[in-house]
This record gives sequence, structure tokens and C-alpha cells, in this order.
Amino acid sequence: AQSVAQPEDQVKVAEGNPLTVKCTYSVSGNPYLFWYVQYPNRGLQFLLKYITGDNLVKGSYGFEAEFNKSQTSFHLKKPSALVSDSALYFCAVRDLSGGFKTIFGAGTRLFVKA
Amino acid sequence: EAQVTQNPRYLITVTGKKLTVTCSQNMNHEYMSWYRQDPGLGLRQIYYSMNVEVTDKGDVPEGYKVSRKEKRNFPLILESPSPNQTSLYFCASSLTGAVEKLLFGSGTQLSVL
Repeated sequence: AQSVAQPEDQVKVAEGNPLTVKCTYSVSGNPYLFWYVQYPNRGLQFLLKYITGDNLVKGSYGFEAEFNKSQTSFHLKKPSALVSDSALYFCAVRDLSGGFKTIFGAGTRLFVKA
Repeated sequence: EAQVTQNPRYLITVTGKKLTVTCSQNMNHEYMSWYRQDPGLGLRQIYYSMNVEVTDKGDVPEGYKVSRKEKRNFPLILESPSPNQTSLYFCASSLTGAVEKLLFGSGTQLSVL
């Protein structure tokens, strides 16, 4: 069965510092991995995805994520955090061998302090 | 503008009173899906549809119905709502449901009293 774990309920960083939001996954086939962000009172917005190829994926708003097959991880990173990055972040995995479902993690609340 | 439109944005109802939350997309997407968001649980998939007249259960389908009579519309039906269905609901779509990103609606906050 597919599953996604985001081990941290919240992450706090100072503005200008690098940030990492962690995600690990479990699938039976090839993983298709996604990160989404949710701002208050808004729907989810796509940040980036990994399908195949380069393990470092670049996305919107300066975010990037590193796919690590051996550790089954897909951590979201940004070199320099902004206060406006404060939001709820969701990791998601799709495993087409298990049907066309997308499984989301529980979410990680990111707080960036000025 | 490409968008997924959900209505209503907020809904308060009472136990047992049938309701429908509408979802429409203007991108000719084949794949549409419904999720509920609850604190600490993230998003859980209720139902999804690969195309017109093709629907399948997600992880939490109990108490919900869907239909896909037209490609653009994918309504969520609660025939007898209960308080445990109080949640934030999102509709989403993508081109085929394979490797593309999901585009989400703005959400429907449902309260069942």
C-alpha cells in the first residue's frame, strides 16, 4: 500500500536561513512525487514534482526537492527562506500500479520568522 | 483562465439533509477527484474519476456519492450527512491522472450540525 510520512508537524526557521521540510514515502511501483503548498483560506498550489531523471528537482518560488531512492525520501528545500513562505506544505505520492490515487502526507506547517 | 470552481464556499447543514457540492473545470481534463482535509490527517481521497461515467473509490468513500455525466462536472453528493463529515473539501483535476500536477479548487467548508 502507498503511504507518505511527513515526520514534522511544524518547522520554524529564521528569514534568510535555509529550510528543509521532510517527506518519506512507500510505494510498490515507481513513485511519482509531488509537493503542494496551501496558504490560509486557499486551495493547494503545485510546487514541483519528480517523475524520472535528475534527482534534484526545481520548482516554483525558489523551492527545490531532492529525490533519494535508497532512503525513499523527497525532502523539500529552499536556500533562503522568506516570511511569505510561511504556509502548510504537503508531500504527495502517486503509484500507478495501485490505481490512479494520490496519497497525501499529513502536512507540515512552516513558520518563517523575520 | 484555467480553473477548478467549487460551490458553495461555505455550507452549514443539519444531520440527514441531502446536499450537493458542485465542481467544474474548464480545461477539458479527464481526471477529477474529491478530497477532504482534516487537521493532522492531511488530504484523504474520497472518489476519483478517470473520465465520463468512470468513477472509483478513494480511501474514504463511505457516506459519499459522485457522478460524472459530463467531462467538466464532478459533483459530490452527501445523501444523509452526519457530523463526522464536517470537514474542508477540495475538488481537483488533471489532464489524465497519471503524472501531471493536480489543480485544486478553493475548497468548501462544510459543517454538519
